[in-house]
Amino acid sequence: GQNIDQPTEMTATEGAIVQINCTYQTSGFNGLFWYQQHAGEAPTFLSYNVLDGLEEKGRFSSFLSRSKGYSYLLLKELQMKDSASYLCAVRDASGGSYIPTFGRGTSLIVHP
Amino acid sequence: ETGVTQSPTHLIKTRGQQVTLRCSSQSGHNTVSWYQQALGQGPQFIFQYYREEENGRGNFPPRFSGLQFPNYSSELNVNALELDDSALYLCASSPAPPGGSTDTQYFGPGTRLTVL
Repeated sequence: GQNIDQPTEMTATEGAIVQINCTYQTSGFNGLFWYQQHAGEAPTFLSYNVLDGLEEKGRFSSFLSRSKGYSYLLLKELQMKDSASYLCAVRDASGGSYIPTFGRGTSLIVHP
Repeated sequence: ETGVTQSPTHLIKTRGQQVTLRCSSQSGHNTVSWYQQALGQGPQFIFQYYREEENGRGNFPPRFSGLQFPNYSSELNVNALELDDSALYLCASSPAPPGGSTDTQYFGPGTRLTVL
């Protein structure tokens, strides 16, 4: 099976930078995803990492270290609308099919 | 708007009943996955279909079953409902085959199932 850990809740100030960490254990790593989910809504895709390093997309960046089983999502220039749950998901291919496992999500609260 | 729709939006059932949830994906999205999301939790993978065949399954009992149709729609069927089945059920579709280079999933708005 897989084990994914991320902090339950984080708070930050509008305009600041926040880093949300995710650690995982999996036997057949096949990609790591970050999703944003506003309360009462469906998750929306933010980023995908399969190789080590940093992927930048506007205000959001995601980093992966496969050897450490570690990823982070970096949010810059925080806006109030960034208040949401951020889900880390790891895809495993060890069983011959592609099985994604989601963490419990990190609830980010952005205050003025 | 992801172009993925689900019906119904909300549903109330009683223990032991059966339920069918529906999802309609975008044209060309041959991969569809179903998830169960309990309150305060991340989505849990139920199963995935690719070109009308089951392509992967999570840790759910056989009373959870599915179908995918040629018109990019799919169904999740749950038999013998239990109280713990109360959750938000999400479908997600992708234009990429399973395990594709990005496999970006587009989620529908979900069906909120309550089992009494």
